[in-house]
Amino acid sequence: DAGVTQSPTHLIKTRGQQVTLRCSPKSGHDTVSWYQQALGQGPQFIFQYYEEEERQRGNFPDRFSGHQFPNYSSELNVNALLLGDSALYLCASSLTDRGRTEKLFFGSGTQLSVL
Amino acid sequence: LAKTTQPISMDSYEGQEVNITCSHNNIATNDYITWYQQFPSQGPRFIIQGYKTKVTNEVASLFIPADRKSSTLSLPRVSLSDTAVYYCLANAGNMLTFGGGTRLMVKP
Repeated sequence: DAGVTQSPTHLIKTRGQQVTLRCSPKSGHDTVSWYQQALGQGPQFIFQYYEEEERQRGNFPDRFSGHQFPNYSSELNVNALLLGDSALYLCASSLTDRGRTEKLFFGSGTQLSVL
Repeated sequence: LAKTTQPISMDSYEGQEVNITCSHNNIATNDYITWYQQFPSQGPRFIIQGYKTKVTNEVASLFIPADRKSSTLSLPRVSLSDTAVYYCLANAGNMLTFGGGTRLMVKP
């Protein structure tokens, strides 16, 4: 049973470019959340997808967008990259039960460097 | 503004019990409080989850008072391999909010 898988593991971009990160949830999970983790900081919530819709969103600009597909996999898109977007991007999958978020299973992340 | 706060760091010795408390105001009344462990270059790993009172599993206990404004993770008899960053997570202000993390250093 595969856990949460993210691709790519590392990525280098330049300012102004666009990037797409991908996530496959753990088998049986229907909810995907994305987090940004800067070096030495806690993960910051970007957004959560459930039933192919954005259910919750953190304090991130519209440059950050996402999508969830019918097979529950998800993409995170970031446009007009800034140096400050350099971070580890974590995907977490979970089950939503009666509106409550069950425990999150995290992937190993995508390390994005913006030069 | 919803916020979760934890101590920045803690030191302990092998075999001791460690308690880490997280304060979380304005959290959802119907959602869980969860604790995670993170090692360098890895994603956070689930430790324990609870809604109220006390929950215990094979690695930790979680204490949540009736007002749910805080929670305490208890690690019994820590070992060197428990050196990591520990995060609480709560649904605060309709966002899944991590605390800033507590860096636990276990010494021999």
